[in-house]
Amino acid sequence: QQQVKQSPQSLIVQKGGISIINCAYENTAFDYFPWYQQFPGKGPALLIAIRPDVSEKKEGRFTISFNKSAKQFSLHIMDSQPGDSATYFCAAKGQAGTALIFGKGTTLSVSS
Amino acid sequence: GAVVSQHPSRVICKSGTSVKIECRSLDFQATTMFWYRQFPKQSLMLMATSNEGSKATYEQGVEKDKFLINHASLTLSTLTVTSAHPEDSSFYICSAREPLGEEGYTFGSGTRLTVV
Repeated sequence: QQQVKQSPQSLIVQKGGISIINCAYENTAFDYFPWYQQFPGKGPALLIAIRPDVSEKKEGRFTISFNKSAKQFSLHIMDSQPGDSATYFCAAKGQAGTALIFGKGTTLSVSS
Repeated sequence: GAVVSQHPSRVICKSGTSVKIECRSLDFQATTMFWYRQFPKQSLMLMATSNEGSKATYEQGVEKDKFLINHASLTLSTLTVTSAHPEDSSFYICSAREPLGEEGYTFGSGTRLTVV
């Protein structure tokens, strides 16, 4: 059973547009929800993360929106740039010290 | 910020040989490290949790005798792929959690293993 469901699988956005990626989870014990960016041949890099006691977190052009009742969270990339073209993964963590569980990823292409 | 160094970045080995991948936390002590495997255009799949000074915990379906994990110090974990076969070719990534801060999990840069 996939614990973190991510959509869409791929996304094409015009330069300057807003990229939106969605994730849903089932396990209410999850208490940490990060988003990672990965370029080909590289390891994932943390973009932004949120805890369930906060509904929104913004860092620069990146915003996480969190809906605890719906068990959903999303990443918004404002003013998308070609350099944002990468694969984005949402993730979740349960108990302290346990590993992150990843969504299947979204490949974002920003056209110039 | 926390840095995790992973080596080698790429390795090609012959079928039947063993390959060791190192994962080091450079500026913090990591009692727990995680090993993931990623096939092309797929997500990261957790293979095992490496605990300093004790046996690793493997995920269901991961052969512990094939993927040997050693976490001998607070800054180093190694993954050895034994008797590698072409189906073991993949991108292996380690991760460590910085004990201080906002539960950030830092990832290594990954190792591309190709078994020929």
